[in-house]
Amino acid sequence: GAVVSQHPSRVICKSGTSVKIECRSLDFQATTMFWYRQFPKKSLMLMATSNEGSKATYEQGVEKDKFLINHASLTLSTLTVTSAHPEDSSFYICSARDPLVPAGVGDTQYFGPGTRLTVL
Amino acid sequence: KNEVEQSPQNLTAQEGEFITINCSYSVGISALHWLQQHPGGGIVSLFMLSSGKKKHGRLIATINIQEKHSSLHITASHPRDSAVYICAVLNMEYGNKLVFGAGTILRVKS
Repeated sequence: GAVVSQHPSRVICKSGTSVKIECRSLDFQATTMFWYRQFPKKSLMLMATSNEGSKATYEQGVEKDKFLINHASLTLSTLTVTSAHPEDSSFYICSARDPLVPAGVGDTQYFGPGTRLTVL
Repeated sequence: KNEVEQSPQNLTAQEGEFITINCSYSVGISALHWLQQHPGGGIVSLFMLSSGKKKHGRLIATINIQEKHSSLHITASHPRDSAVYICAVLNMEYGNKLVFGAGTILRVKS
C-alpha cells in the first residue's frame, strides 16, 4: 500500500525556536495533504489542508502565522511551528489523499507515523 | 454532542475473545474509516467503508448507513491487537474532511 513518512519522528526544542516537520508521500503523488494535531488521550484534530501549489486552508482557531504550511511539490508538505512554546508540545500527524480516488467517493487517506514535539 | 461517538472508551479482553467496537455518527458521510494507533503513535488505516462489510484477516468492519452505525470486530484477539482504535467519518457537510471519534483503548491480556 501507499506509504507516507514524517521527519523527524521526535523533536525537543527550546521555547522560541522554530521547528520544521516534513511529510512525504513515498510512492505516489499527493496533491492534497492534511495536518493533524493530537493532544494526550484525545483524538486527532484537523489543523489544515495543504494543497500542492496553493495556500493551505486552515481550520478555525488555528493560527496560520504560527503553523506555516508549505506544499511545494507533489510529494512533500512541511509544517513549521514558529516561535514554539510549551503549549505547542503535541503529536503532529500528516496524511495524504490518494489522488487516484476522486475526493468524496471513497476517499482514501494514508497516514504518516507522526512527530512528537516537546517544547521546553 | 460529538459528531462521532465510539463505545466503549476502554476495553480489556482476554486473549482469544471476540471483540466489538462500535461507532455512531450524526452527520451525512461519504465514507467511514477504522484506524489503528499503536502506543508509538503511528496510525494505520484498517478499513474504509461506504456500505456493507469488509474483512481482512481477523478483522471485520460493518456499516449500516441508514442507522448511521459501524462496528469493528476482532476475532480470536491477541495481545498484539492492543492499540487505540479510531473511527473517522468523511463528513459531506464539512467539505469531505475526516472527523474523528475519541478512540477506543483496547488491551488484550494473555
